[in-house]
Amino acid sequence: DIQMTQSPSSLSASVGDRVTITCRASQSISLYLNWYQQKPGKAPKLLIYSASSFQSGVPSRFSGTGSGTDFTLTISSLQPEDFATYYCQQSYSSPYSFGQGTKLDFK
Amino acid sequence: QVQLQESGPGLVKPSETLSLTCTVSGGSISSGDYYWSWIRQPPGKGPEWIGYIYYSGSTNYNPSLESRVTISVDTSKNQFSLKLSSVTAADTAVYYCVRDRLAGIYDFWGQGTLVTVSS
Repeated sequence: DIQMTQSPSSLSASVGDRVTITCRASQSISLYLNWYQQKPGKAPKLLIYSASSFQSGVPSRFSGTGSGTDFTLTISSLQPEDFATYYCQQSYSSPYSFGQGTKLDFK
Repeated sequence: QVQLQESGPGLVKPSETLSLTCTVSGGSISSGDYYWSWIRQPPGKGPEWIGYIYYSGSTNYNPSLESRVTISVDTSKNQFSLKLSSVTAADTAVYYCVRDRLAGIYDFWGQGTLVTVSS
């Protein structure tokens, strides 16, 4: 099975900050990497798929890059509604696996 | 836009079978354009994929759960269901039904239902 490791596990930031979250796969997954945002008590929401493609309705301040084993999610200017937990997930091979999450909170 | 809604008991006793149903509205399971998945999330942890079903009835399960999982579909009711047998406390989680774009990309999620395994 492919293991997904995110860093950092938690991150404190302020509105307007540029934030980067990293995800590493235990083997190459090409571009088969997706990012989700989850707020407390809510289901995860798809943000980015196939490493860098935007899901409809996602603000352009979110961006995804990477290929192979190393990927990043960047939020260019944090907004109040962006404070949440972010998960990466590989869709290269079954069983499709998620990272452990990165919790983004107010500094 | 498609909506998914989970239903079923919120409390299951150890060694018994967890049963949940997902009702899909705003789109047809029979369209053939998607897989229909179950994903669970234990308290404080990341999500875990359980398995999916295609409208034809073909399935794919997470090997870690395969011996205990059955996913079925009822296209006449636009529903799909999950059964997980011999549950333990480790199966306590929020269970989500999810639409999968045939590529492991989960674009629509139900609100989730907490299932607690306890006597």
